[in-house]
Amino acid sequence: DVVMTQSPLSLPVTLGQPASISCRSSQSLVYSDGNTYLNWFQQRPGQSPRRLIYKVSNRDSGVPDRFSGSGSGTDFTLKISRVEAEDVGIYYCMQGTHWPRTFGQGTKVEIK
Amino acid sequence: EVQLFESGGGLVQPGGSLRLSCAASGFTFSSYAMSWVRQAPGKGPEWVSAISGSGNTYFVDSVKGRFTISRDNSKNTVHLQMNSLRVEDTAVYYCAKSMQGDSWGQGTLVTVSS
Repeated sequence: DVVMTQSPLSLPVTLGQPASISCRSSQSLVYSDGNTYLNWFQQRPGQSPRRLIYKVSNRDSGVPDRFSGSGSGTDFTLKISRVEAEDVGIYYCMQGTHWPRTFGQGTKVEIK
Repeated sequence: EVQLFESGGGLVQPGGSLRLSCAASGFTFSSYAMSWVRQAPGKGPEWVSAISGSGNTYFVDSVKGRFTISRDNSKNTVHLQMNSLRVEDTAVYYCAKSMQGDSWGQGTLVTVSS
C-alpha cells in the first residue's frame, strides 16, 4: 500500500498567520491518465471529513481561497494563507491514484 | 446539492453481520463510483470498499472475503454487507461519492463487542 506521511502532526497557529502542511507519498501519485490524484480533507471537531482540494491544487466548491494546494510526484503541500478560527480541525492528505486509497496520519491545527 | 445518508449501524457481537445502506441524492448516481470509508475512534479515515458505476468492486485487504458492496442504481443506494465482524471493525462508517471522496455522509456507528 502507498504510505502517506504528513508533517507536522500538530500545528499551533496564530489567528491571521499562515500555516503549511506537508504530505509525502511512498510512490508517485501520477496516474496513467497523466493526472495526479492527491486530495486534502478537513475534519472539524464532531464532523465528517470534507474535501478541500482535489488533484493537487483544485479547490472544491465553496472552499475559501485562503486554502491552496501544490506539489508534484510524491511531495505535496497544503497552505492556509491566513488562519481563521473556523479552520481548527484535523487535515488529512489522501492519495486517489492507487488502490487501496490511503490517508496521511492527519495534522491537528489549533489556535495558539 | 449532494446528499448522502447512511443507515444500518449498531451493536453486534464478534462474528456477527450487519448491512449498511447509503441513500444518495443531488447527482446522477449511476455515473459515479461510490465508496465506504471508516474511521475508528480517535483514528484517521480508512478506505474500506468502492464500487464503480458499472459494478466493479474494490476492497481493502483487511475486509476481503468478509465484506461485499453492491449498488441499486434504480434506487440511488449503495450497500455494504459486513460478515464475520471483528472487534477491530468498530468505527464510524461513511458513504462517500466517487473514489476521490467528493462528498461524505454523516456516518453510521458500527460497534463490534461482546
